[in-house]
Amino acid sequence: GEDVEQSLFLSVREGDSSVINCTYTDSSSTYLYWYKQEPGAGLQLLTYIFSNMDMKQDQRLTVLLNKKDKHLSLRIADTQTGDSAIYFCAASPNNAGNMLTFGGGTRLMVKP
Amino acid sequence: EPEVTQTPSHQVTQMGQEVILRCVPISNHLYFYWYRQILGQKVEFLVSFYNNEISEKSEIFDDQFSVERPDGSNFTLKIRSTKLEDSAMYFCASSGGTQETQYFGPGTRLLVL
Repeated sequence: GEDVEQSLFLSVREGDSSVINCTYTDSSSTYLYWYKQEPGAGLQLLTYIFSNMDMKQDQRLTVLLNKKDKHLSLRIADTQTGDSAIYFCAASPNNAGNMLTFGGGTRLMVKP
Repeated sequence: EPEVTQTPSHQVTQMGQEVILRCVPISNHLYFYWYRQILGQKVEFLVSFYNNEISEKSEIFDDQFSVERPDGSNFTLKIRSTKLEDSAMYFCASSGGTQETQYFGPGTRLLVL
């Protein structure tokens, strides 16, 4: 089955760009998602990319997809302290119906 | 903006007791899901539900678990006889269709003592 991996932790200074990386194993994954989880809260959908796209930009967020390497990244421009949270990558394999497979989450800490 | 809601936000129960976790999906969505996140571990898929029946389930979703849509708005997860290892955050999600974006609720934190 699908396996999704992320680095555990990222620390950046306020105003810098953050890049959170994710790798997945199932090349048939059709949708790839980024969710944000703030302390004590649920999973907030940030953005997603369809597998026939290489890049998607949404305000401060840029998603890059390298299908050959099965690598997904989320870039947050001008990172703010309010961006401090856990960021989860999730994949929706084409042959697995609706289920999402999540990575372990990357904790982003933004220092003022 | 429409959102998925879940009740209760926290539940403490004794091992062996039954618990029912409740969810109200987004009103025009057709697909409903339960996921769980054991502390320090990944978010894991449990089950998906469409047209009043289970469409997929993981190996975690064994006979002690059941789901139901008892009316037009609620979607419930029942754990029949809770075990210590059922302690986790349980997330409900809904989507408008297959392969469409899943929107998650805030979760129910279940603690089994």
